[in-house]
Amino acid sequence: GAVVSQHPSWVICKSGTSVKIECRSLDFQATTMFWYRQFPKQSLMLMATSNEGSKATYEQGVEKDKFLINHASLTLSTLTVTSAHPEDSSFYICSAQIPQGVGELFFGEGSRLTVL
Amino acid sequence: AQKITQTQPGMFVQEKEAVTLDCTYDTSDPSYGLFWYKQPSSGEMIFLIYQGSYDQQNATEGRYSLNFQKARKSANLVISASQLGDSAMYFCAMRESLTDSWGKLQFGAGTQVVVTP
Repeated sequence: GAVVSQHPSWVICKSGTSVKIECRSLDFQATTMFWYRQFPKQSLMLMATSNEGSKATYEQGVEKDKFLINHASLTLSTLTVTSAHPEDSSFYICSAQIPQGVGELFFGEGSRLTVL
Repeated sequence: AQKITQTQPGMFVQEKEAVTLDCTYDTSDPSYGLFWYKQPSSGEMIFLIYQGSYDQQNATEGRYSLNFQKARKSANLVISASQLGDSAMYFCAMRESLTDSWGKLQFGAGTQVVVTP
């Protein structure tokens, strides 16, 4: 079964509004979660590393004021796309590692954002 | 520079046949991990198989096996006895333990596999 759950699966919003996406680890605590972005027909690009209780670490070129990440608990990380514009339309997918395993990432179902 | 290279944008394979998906990587880190993920049209990323750089044997997981050739820096995925449900995008990924934070994966461009009856 799923170990990482993401919500919402899809969202449509008007340009200029903000959208929040939630990522939850199920049945395990995740001190670190990862947010990826995927454009159609393209690969996943890491946006940021979400750290529980501290600031997120953003990859080069990712606007931290545009993509706000909060990791307030050991099972929940949120990504807020602020003042969304059509170019922010994308597939956003979060991931976490389970404590056991070889270090593979388990991914949420992904959230498809469309900004009109 | 591209760390993970998947040269096959797409492939057709007949049901019950085997298919090999190519993946080459570039790293100077002696300790690294290689992963393969499957992404169906629904979008979720499904972990398939893992190979550590120090693993002596090729990884296998059911119908999936990884042909790891360290000297050539390749980690090809072999899917045996293809099924219609194997139709998906397949991504090769790498984690470099010395340069990347734990869990940070770098993904290749992906290979779209279509299994035909």
